[in-house]
Amino acid sequence: QKEVEQNSGPLSVPEGAIASLNCTYSDRGSQSFFWYRQYSGKSPELIMFIYSNGDKEDGRFTAQLNKASQYVSLLIRDSQPSDSATYLCAVRKDTGTASKLTFGTGTRLQVTL
Amino acid sequence: GAVVSQHPSWVICKSGTSVKIECRSLDFQATTMFWYRQFPKQSLMLMATSNEGSKATYEQGVEKDKFLINHASLTLSTLTVTSAHPEDSSFYICSAHPGFPYGYTFGSGTRLTVV
Repeated sequence: QKEVEQNSGPLSVPEGAIASLNCTYSDRGSQSFFWYRQYSGKSPELIMFIYSNGDKEDGRFTAQLNKASQYVSLLIRDSQPSDSATYLCAVRKDTGTASKLTFGTGTRLQVTL
Repeated sequence: GAVVSQHPSWVICKSGTSVKIECRSLDFQATTMFWYRQFPKQSLMLMATSNEGSKATYEQGVEKDKFLINHASLTLSTLTVTSAHPEDSSFYICSAHPGFPYGYTFGSGTRLTVV
């Protein structure tokens, strides 16, 4: 079982729709969860992170965490063509800035006109 | 704030030569930096964790003697790919965590091509 699992996609959504990206993790002791966006040939950009169960909203993005189900998701409202990218879920087991991240393989999102 | 600068952006080198990649934290001090490698259409794979003033911690399967890491100051870590071969061609990315409220910040990456 992979430590962090994501559906590779591509996930195709029409412009203006809600895109839902999912991620599961295997280590129940994981502390914090990060979502990154990566355009082809570029390095990852942080979208948001979440530590506590529930929802966290930032503009058009909402992260949802359910530690009991070991599940974290990212919702993108009013999807735009510029949102087309690969979305990486990352998990940190320990606290502190010296703790490493474990990445999923990413989900490719395509927003169609 | 929370910017990580990485140089060079791309480099082409001949097989057998060495290449140094620099990663700097511009507006914060980073006692720890992370080095990743990413092959086309694959996810990021952590190679090593760089610790200021001490030895780096390498992930399983990463050759310490081939990928030399030096973290001599709180703002600079370097990765040297020694005796590079075509199979080392990849996208190398560094990262650091500035502390709350920031998340892990990535450099712009270095695309290495060994010919």
